[in-house]
Amino acid sequence: GAVVSQHPSWVICKSGTSVKIECRSLDFQATTMFWYRQFPKQSLMLMATSNEGSKATYEQGVEKDKFLINHASLTLSTLTVTSAHPEDSSFYICSARAVAKNIQYFGAGTRLSVL
Amino acid sequence: RKEVEQDPGPFNVPEGATVAFNCTYSNSASQSFFWYRQDCRKEPKLLMSVYSSGNEDGRFTAQLNRASQYISLLIRDSKLSDSATYLCVVNTPWGNDYKLSFGAGTTVTVRA
Repeated sequence: GAVVSQHPSWVICKSGTSVKIECRSLDFQATTMFWYRQFPKQSLMLMATSNEGSKATYEQGVEKDKFLINHASLTLSTLTVTSAHPEDSSFYICSARAVAKNIQYFGAGTRLSVL
Repeated sequence: RKEVEQDPGPFNVPEGATVAFNCTYSNSASQSFFWYRQDCRKEPKLLMSVYSSGNEDGRFTAQLNRASQYISLLIRDSKLSDSATYLCVVNTPWGNDYKLSFGAGTTVTVRA
């Protein structure tokens, strides 16, 4: 089946540093990739949607200058958490939707801990 | 109002028991519906799609009531491995596209 690879799986960093998370679709082309954040015991919340070659669309309340998304190719999207702070500590999950399909495949998630 | 609301549980059941829970969704224009399973500190994984006529996949039965905007999941003959958080997921209109909206999950613990 389709596979989405997300790296790193776990990051611990100091407050103020930037963290980049990669999301790759391994055996299909993804026109659209989604970035979610999940806090403990809460639902996945969509942060932004990115389409290959265009600017990401951010959900209300998500700062685009803090969460930089790049979707340069049909198989790769990156999320950069700039100047991370402890309140950014969360589980970040990417998802990719295959071209002409209504199925989303999820990455394994990245657990970010900001000290 | 949340787009998808679920009973958080937890449902604590013995092996072999039947457990059922449900969710409601707010957008009547939603087109497709799913149950996902999420294990602790892992990504969600698709358990099954939910169809209007109701559908079954082994020990799992899903029902959809569009009029009431209500989705249910029933697990028969529970196994220890069924312990997880079950997410109700709805594909909702979003501009010219659709997006998945997730419930907060129902936690099920199956005990020996």
